[in-house]
Amino acid sequence: QVQLQQSGAELAKPGSSVKISCKASGYTFTSYDISWIKQTTGQGLEYIGYINTGSGGTYYNEKFKGKATLTVDKSSSTAFMQLSSLTPEDTAVYYCARFLAYWGQGTLVTVSS
Amino acid sequence: DIQMTQSPASLSASLGETVSIECLASEDIYSNLAWYQQKPGKSPQLLIYYASSLQDGVPSRFSGSESGTQYSLEINSLQPEDEGDYFCQQSYKFPLTFGSGTKLEIK
Repeated sequence: QVQLQQSGAELAKPGSSVKISCKASGYTFTSYDISWIKQTTGQGLEYIGYINTGSGGTYYNEKFKGKATLTVDKSSSTAFMQLSSLTPEDTAVYYCARFLAYWGQGTLVTVSS
Repeated sequence: DIQMTQSPASLSASLGETVSIECLASEDIYSNLAWYQQKPGKSPQLLIYYASSLQDGVPSRFSGSESGTQYSLEINSLQPEDEGDYFCQQSYKFPLTFGSGTKLEIK
């Protein structure tokens, strides 16, 4: 069965970066894009962007350009999202998803000094 | 960006009742609308796709409909396990956008 397993929670300091992973299993990894979504209590769900797992091509929501960087390692069927120059506003649960039906379990990123 | 205006923000209903949740798109999204349920601490689960298609394994008491740019999720015969948050999402145009969510409480 299709599964997306995300890396664990992160506690990061303002100004630093974090890299979240999303390991896919149960299907041909390079046949589907992986999307990333941010969820906060205040802003709800926001679409960050997606990566074409075959070509490595990316799309970023304008709001997240310069904040998020999406990459992929085909050899391990894993997608990554790096968040840079972290601020407290980046504190959120981040999901990877193979739209529409398959979502990872979420990764909590907390930005605090 | 396409705005998805979801209502109500919350509702409380009794077991066995029928409830409806609405999403209004700021422009035509040509039925590219999905509904999700989310329980606390869990990821969203797809209920309905393409406005009215029921995802495999989802009970038939969930249904979706559309009228112009207004989309609705109806839940019949409410069960205790239906308590949670519900979101709509348009996939017609990037960036994909979500409704603000509806918190459903079962009395």
